[in-house]
Parts: sequence; structure tokens; C-alpha cells
Amino acid sequence: GAVVSQHPSWVICKSGTSVKIECRSLDFQATTMFWYRQFPKQSLMLMATSNEGSKATYEQGVEKDKFLINHASLTLSTLTVTSAHPEDSSFYICSAIPAGQRPHEQYFGPGTRLTVT
Amino acid sequence: AQKVTQAQTEISVVEKEDVTLDCVYETRDTTYYLFWYKQPPSGELVFLIRRNSFDEQNEISGRYSWNFQKSTSSFNFTITASQVVDSAVYFCALSGANFGNEKLTFGTGTRLTIIP
Repeated sequence: GAVVSQHPSWVICKSGTSVKIECRSLDFQATTMFWYRQFPKQSLMLMATSNEGSKATYEQGVEKDKFLINHASLTLSTLTVTSAHPEDSSFYICSAIPAGQRPHEQYFGPGTRLTVT
Repeated sequence: AQKVTQAQTEISVVEKEDVTLDCVYETRDTTYYLFWYKQPPSGELVFLIRRNSFDEQNEISGRYSWNFQKSTSSFNFTITASQVVDSAVYFCALSGANFGNEKLTFGTGTRLTIIP
């Protein structure tokens, strides 16, 4: 149980286009999901906290107009990278906390590798 | 603010040697959780352990063991009799224990290479 999927697993797009990444909790409902970004050979940095039915909370330095997060249901959160540029190329990982679970029960998706050319 | 320091950027050991990965953390929370994750080349994070700040007992799981010392704010990870499959990047992480304070703060990771 407690499986989180991400789609796509990798994507290549041209500069200036937008890309949507989906994060789904497959066998549980998640009121809270997190989005992380990991540059090559670096650590995971939290971008935003996504709460179902409300606006996402962005970490300092993350452009909310560039990285649009929508947590439309208890099993789906989406991250849209708008007007992507090569510097947005990164590994994006989501995680989810099962509804009603204690806050430390966080399950990670397999990640999405974004390359912007 | 929370902070996790993994001073060892890269470690290489010969297969079957023991290796310890260091983790030092900072937090003002009285209750918190500490984690270790493994990230193989595929990129997917593999959960290894979660430890509550109230539980200072050391834990052993097969070849893996963890030493939590609250007095020195350290949560070190030891692999005994290392194997090539242990080659990966290992992250130590910290989170608060209360609802609304559960976001994870990761260390910078230690890249472990096991030489056959």
C-alpha cells in the first residue's frame, strides 16, 4: 500500500512551453502533498506544500506564477511549469501524506525528469 | 529553522568494509522525526528508517544500523559488510512532529561508492 505515482516519468520540452506533471496517490487519499526539486548532484529542496481544496504554500524564492500547483482532489496534485526555460531542467519529486495519518508518514513518488531545450 | 548537515560529500570503500555516514541536525522543536533515504541512480527515493526524537534506542536492520544521539544532535548510519548494491546517494532528513510542521528538510546527501 501507500503508492504514489508521477506522470510523466520524464519529459523534454522546448523553451517557452508549459509542462504539467501529475502526482497521484494510488491507494490512499492525501490531503497534503509536497513538491520537491532536485538539481543534478544536489539535495532535494521543497518547493511548495499542496493542500487539497486550498492554495498551495510556496517556499521562499519559489515563483508561484511560474510553478502552478493545483490539488484538485484527494488523490491528485499537479505541478505546471509555465514558460519553461533551460534552468528549470531538474528532477521533480512529489510526496503525499495519507489523510488522517500522522504527519511523518510521507510517501514519495518516483520523480519526473524535466529537460528544457 | 531546521538544518541537516551531512559533511561527507562522497565516500568510497571496498566491498565488505563497514562504512558510517554522518548526519548532524539542528532544530528548535522538542518533538521531531529523523529519516534516512537511499537514492539509487534511478532517482527514486527509498525509505530506510524513521526515528522519533523521544526514542534514542539504536536500531539494527540486517546490515544497517543507526545511532541516534540527542546530546550531540547526530543520527549516524552504518552499513556493515558493504555490497556493491549499496552504492547510492544517501540523504538524512528532519521533520517536525506536528500537523502543519511536517515538511522535510534534507541534508545535502552523501554519495557512497562501493568498489568491488
